[in-house]
Amino acid sequence: NAGVTQTPKFQVLKTGQSMTLQCAQDMNHEYMSWYRQDPGMGLRLIHYSVGAGITDQGEVPNGYNVSRSTTEDFPLRLLSAAPSQTSVYFCASSPWAGGGNEQFFGPGTRLTVL
Amino acid sequence: GQQVMQIPQYQHVQEGEDFTTYCNSSTTLSNIQWYKQRPGGHPVFLIQLVKSGEVKKQKRLTFQFGEAKKNSSLHITATQTTDVGTYFCAGRAGSYQLTFGKGTKLSVIP
Repeated sequence: NAGVTQTPKFQVLKTGQSMTLQCAQDMNHEYMSWYRQDPGMGLRLIHYSVGAGITDQGEVPNGYNVSRSTTEDFPLRLLSAAPSQTSVYFCASSPWAGGGNEQFFGPGTRLTVL
Repeated sequence: GQQVMQIPQYQHVQEGEDFTTYCNSSTTLSNIQWYKQRPGGHPVFLIQLVKSGEVKKQKRLTFQFGEAKKNSSLHITATQTTDVGTYFCAGRAGSYQLTFGKGTKLSVIP
C-alpha cells in the first residue's frame, strides 16, 4: 500500500492563479481531510469528507473548494490564490468517520503564493 | 468553537532529561490523540486516549487523560536525540472534526 499520497510536493503560484492539490489513499478509508500548517499555528482543518459525495467545512475553509467523487481521491482547489494561502498542506485519512481512530497523513505540499 | 491549548510552545532539554507537554481543551473531549512530527516530515500518530483518567505507556513515553476529559499530557523519560520533533495533541468533542493544539517543539541537546 502506498498509503496517502499528495502531489505536487512543492508549488509556486502567482496571486490570482488557481490550482488543485491532489490527494489519494489506497486504504479504502472513509474519512479524508485537508489541513494547513503555518508556523506557530499547528494544524488547522480546511475541509473534510466522511465518504464519497459528502464534504463539509472545517475551521478555515475560505478560498478553498473540495469534492469527493470517489473513496480514493480528495482534491483541494484554490480558486484564486492569495499570499495568505502560503502554507504547508497536509491531506489525511482514517478508516471511518465516527469515533476516534488514527489519521494517516500524506507527505504534504509546500505552497508559496507570490 | 472548540479550542485546544498546548504548552509549552518550545522546550530545549539536555539529552537524558525528562520532557512534558500539556494539552487543555475548552470543552469535554470524547477522545484525545497525540502525534509526532519530525522536522520536515508529516504528523505520525502516537496514541489515542478515550477513558477518563486513562494512562498509557509506550516505552519511555507516558500519556495521561484527565479525569474531566479536558486535559492531557505526554511525558518522555530520559530524552534521546531521536525524540526531537514537534508533539501535537488533537482532541475530538463528539464531532467529525479533530482540533489540534499548536504543538510543542522539542529540541534535545546531546
